[in-house]
Amino acid sequence: RKEVEQDPGPFNVPEGATVAFNCTYSNSASQSFFWYRQDCRKEPKLLMSVYSSGNEDGRFTAQLNRASQYISLLIRDSKLSDSATYLCVVIPGYSSASKIIFGSGTRLSIRP
Amino acid sequence: DTGVSQDPRHKITKRGQNVTFRCDPISEHNRLYWYRQTLGQGPEFLTYFQNEAQLEKSRLLSDRFSAERPKGSFSTLEIQRTEQGDSAMYLCASSGDGTGGSYEQYFGPGTRLTVT
Repeated sequence: RKEVEQDPGPFNVPEGATVAFNCTYSNSASQSFFWYRQDCRKEPKLLMSVYSSGNEDGRFTAQLNRASQYISLLIRDSKLSDSATYLCVVIPGYSSASKIIFGSGTRLSIRP
Repeated sequence: DTGVSQDPRHKITKRGQNVTFRCDPISEHNRLYWYRQTLGQGPEFLTYFQNEAQLEKSRLLSDRFSAERPKGSFSTLEIQRTEQGDSAMYLCASSGDGTGGSYEQYFGPGTRLTVT
């Protein structure tokens, strides 16, 4: 089993729809979680950190489920500009940077 | 622009040649990371520095790879005797170390290496 797994997609949804995807992790000691978005042939850009209590930033909501070891990202009222690959990042703790694991990404395509 | 910068953006080299990439982190960040990314995969950790100290190296980093951050500011990543399998995007990121700063990593635009 991979340490961090994401459904590669692609998720193809109409503009205005709500879409959600998950990222599962195997290390129960993981402490920090992030979502990044990456456009084609560009660098990853930080989208949001994922806190234990969950957090929301505009149309984006991130949640953490420690019991089931997954994080989720929900996008409401999707825009064409949301089309990108979404990468989750799992960090077990800050004492070991080599354990920073990126998922392979979930491709999202928003159609008009 | 106060973000992370990388140079060059693209590099085409012949197998067997040496290449060197540079990364300039966000100035107030003391942590600097190097990653490698191939098509369809997420970035893979290579190494990281806290200030000038190289604290960790991935097993992915063979002895042909070396990284430095001599003054705790910019960093260089050198690949000696390049192989076709080295073709990838090399990404640099920087972050704070949590003391008065954030752990969130910010990436540079990357250097795309093609080995022919």
